[in-house]
Amino acid sequence: AQKVTQAQTEISVVEKEDVTLDCVYETRDTTYYLFWYKQPPSGELVFLIRRNSFDEQNEISGRYSWNFQKSTSSFNFTITASQVVDSAVYFCALSEANTGNQFYFGTGTSLTVIP
Amino acid sequence: EPEVTQTPSHQVTQMGQEVILRCVPISNHLYFYWYRQILGQKVEFLVSFYNNEISEKSEIFDDQFSVERPDGSNFTLKIRSTKLEDSAMYFCASKVGGASNYGYTFGSGTRLTVV
Repeated sequence: AQKVTQAQTEISVVEKEDVTLDCVYETRDTTYYLFWYKQPPSGELVFLIRRNSFDEQNEISGRYSWNFQKSTSSFNFTITASQVVDSAVYFCALSEANTGNQFYFGTGTSLTVIP
Repeated sequence: EPEVTQTPSHQVTQMGQEVILRCVPISNHLYFYWYRQILGQKVEFLVSFYNNEISEKSEIFDDQFSVERPDGSNFTLKIRSTKLEDSAMYFCASKVGGASNYGYTFGSGTRLTVV
């Protein structure tokens, strides 16, 4: 079974539109961590955010915001007023306290922002 | 900001050849990892390494793969006899602690093309 599901394979939006990338996770651990990474066309993985299972506060960083809901096992990522530079593949990932050595990545959502 | 450095950025090799992918983790990090991303797919865990030995490995990490920390700074991934299906982006990562809450710092990746 997939531990991290990103149902949206590809999304296209017009510049300045808001876009939400969905992430649903599955774990039996009570202590776990969720991450978002951005992979631009150049290929590197850029860390965006880490959230632990005990902190359900939403977070905002500039145009980025994250909505963590344990009740629905979701950790969604919203980009407000999207820009062309936001075009990338975005990966959600899970790390569990009992298997702390590895990340479980989702399959990624490819976001294209059209000028 | 400290970086994980990977060399080369792109390597082309003939099927059956041995390749060594090199990584220089962040100097005070103790836990090292290799991940693989086949083109267009998700990032998959290969192996974790701590205290000069493998601490965890995935099913992908078969006898064709090995890792080594030959000196105090380098961390290498060797593929003994490459196959076409080994073509992928290989990411090295390190983190300062083994607990799951520590975020990884990923290198920029080595794109391996087996022809």
